[in-house]
Amino acid sequence: KNEVEQSPQNLTAQEGEFITINCSYSVGISALHWLQQHPGGGIVSLFMLSSGKKKHGRLIATINIQEKHSSLHITASHPRDSAVYICAVRFGGGADGLTFGKGTHLIIQP
Amino acid sequence: DAGVIQSPRHEVTEMGQEVTLRCKPISGHDYLFWYRQTMMRGLELLIYFNNNVPIDDSGMPEDRFSAKMPNASFSTLKIQPSEPRDSAVYFCASSLVWDANRFFGPGTRLTVL
Repeated sequence: KNEVEQSPQNLTAQEGEFITINCSYSVGISALHWLQQHPGGGIVSLFMLSSGKKKHGRLIATINIQEKHSSLHITASHPRDSAVYICAVRFGGGADGLTFGKGTHLIIQP
Repeated sequence: DAGVIQSPRHEVTEMGQEVTLRCKPISGHDYLFWYRQTMMRGLELLIYFNNNVPIDDSGMPEDRFSAKMPNASFSTLKIQPSEPRDSAVYFCASSLVWDANRFFGPGTRLTVL
């Protein structure tokens, strides 16, 4: 069964802390997306990657294909980073759409 | 570009009524996706289109759900008859090509009483 697991489910941290959110999947994939869902409900695509690492501002996404694992890092976290972060993967070998993790609810306290 | 546009933003209806959700993708995007988000199940793909043609509708929960894309700039998701368990936020997203970032609309929050 194609599954996507995220950890932690909930994370509360202090402003300035380094944040790591993890995503593991069960079988080989062709692409992995990190999405951010704001408290108001809007969804923004942060990264799409199939290998290596990508960086945008204070956000860094890495993926290890062999270990079937990806991480999303936030450096110098800020209260405005508070959101739900969702990992989504496209499993290889088919025309399937994305399979989504349950999300990590992040709260950054000032 | 205004981004992906969805309407209505909120819909409250009674069980048994027909509901139609609308989506306008970003111009030039060849792929359009309909997703549903609930507390219990999170985000789920319902159906997606490539160049207006439905490619995979295996996520559509049952025959009460149908989706169309009559042209490149418009898609509808219809529920008939609606049931309380259909209450969710429905997102539409589009992307330029298959393996590209997906741009999400603001969602339609549907409540079926």
